[in-house]
Amino acid sequence: EVQLLESGGGLVQPGGSLRLSCAASGFIFSSYGMNWVRQAPGKGLEWVSGISVGGGDTYYADSVKGRFTISRDNSKNTLYLQMNTLRAGDTAVYYCAKVPTTGPMSYFDYWGQGTLVTVSS
Amino acid sequence: QLVLTQSPSASASLGASVKLTCTLSSGHSSYAIAWHQQQPEKGPRYLMKVNSDDSHHKGDGIPDRFSGSSSGTERYLTISSLQSEDEADYYCQTWGTVQVFGGGTKLTVL
Repeated sequence: EVQLLESGGGLVQPGGSLRLSCAASGFIFSSYGMNWVRQAPGKGLEWVSGISVGGGDTYYADSVKGRFTISRDNSKNTLYLQMNTLRAGDTAVYYCAKVPTTGPMSYFDYWGQGTLVTVSS
Repeated sequence: QLVLTQSPSASASLGASVKLTCTLSSGHSSYAIAWHQQQPEKGPRYLMKVNSDDSHHKGDGIPDRFSGSSSGTERYLTISSLQSEDEADYYCQTWGTVQVFGGGTKLTVL
């Protein structure tokens, strides 16, 4: 059974940093692209970032480019999102999502349960 | 620009059928999309991928009540024999050089 378990969310002040993790199990993690998607309170889904199997290709939404960094450790079956210079507008539940391809640009076939990030003073 | 458009809301009676629509922006009629369901207070769940040739691929454990179809720039999700647990937000998603979501349709089961 495919499982994606996010962690690392919490309350952080504007301008602060946070690192999210997504622990994967039930599939060969190193064979599939991965993504982060967020959902602000009461709003729709917004794609944040994607990464290819080896980590060599990364993609970002314009809203986070230059502030967020996606990475993966295939030896630990874990996806990361380093978030710097956080703003109130980054407040959201952050989901990791798997795609059935080696690159990150495809449909999301599995989702995690999400971790809440709140940016507030 | 790759854009997906969904109606904000839809409703149908228990046991009836409903057809949700996701419209691709002009010039993108060859794109596949995926449908995702988000029940209240839960994370999204992949339902199916709908291709431009009207074929679709369902996710694990998705009931036969859910089906997908396609026509031009429109992609459809049909849910038959509506149940109370089908009341949820439904999002379409597509991809190119970035990932794109529609705004979502809130389905109410009457």
